[in-house]
Amino acid sequence: QKEVEQDPGPLSVPEGAIVSLNCTYSNSAFQYFMWYRQYSRKGPELLMYTYSSGNKEDGRFTAQVDKSSKYISLFIRDSQPSDSATYLCAMRGGANSKLTFGKGITLSVRP
Amino acid sequence: DAGVIQSPRHEVTEMGQEVTLRCKPISGHDYLFWYRQTMMRGLELLIYFNNNVPIDDSGMPEDRFSAKMPNASFSTLKIQPSEPRDSAVYFCASSGTRDVASTGELFFGEGSRLTVL
Repeated sequence: QKEVEQDPGPLSVPEGAIVSLNCTYSNSAFQYFMWYRQYSRKGPELLMYTYSSGNKEDGRFTAQVDKSSKYISLFIRDSQPSDSATYLCAMRGGANSKLTFGKGITLSVRP
Repeated sequence: DAGVIQSPRHEVTEMGQEVTLRCKPISGHDYLFWYRQTMMRGLELLIYFNNNVPIDDSGMPEDRFSAKMPNASFSTLKIQPSEPRDSAVYFCASSGTRDVASTGELFFGEGSRLTVL
């Protein structure tokens, strides 16, 4: 079993839809959870960061971590065509430990 | 402030040729990472440096790959000889000590797209 599994996609939704992106993981030592966004032909950029369990909201984006289920989610409300990108989950154990990335899911938001 | 700068952006070469990818990290960052991204395997960490010293090269696929960081503002990833299965996008990323200790945020360059024929 891979340490981090992410739904392969691709995912296509109409503008204004609520999007749910998910990752599962197997390493119970993971404490730091991130979502990176990668536009076509660009490098990934940090979108959301969460430490341990709980929710974090930033505008239309909400990151959710459920450590008991080893499951993290990214919700996008009122999705926009500009949200079309590849979303990668990433996580790590303690500070200074390496990041492990999911393979990413490509989202397309249709106008 | 300029971000991470990589060159070349695109490289097409023939099997057996030497390939050198270059990276200039963000000024003041003391961590530098080399990643490879493919559709099949996603983002894979190849090697990372701290204060110009290689810390973990366990992700380097084989002896054909080598990386150096001669100073704080420059790193190279070399593949010799190259093979078609090396075709991928190679990303360089940098981070500061404070970032590594807190969020772990990496700042990526735009990547070098390598095609080996």
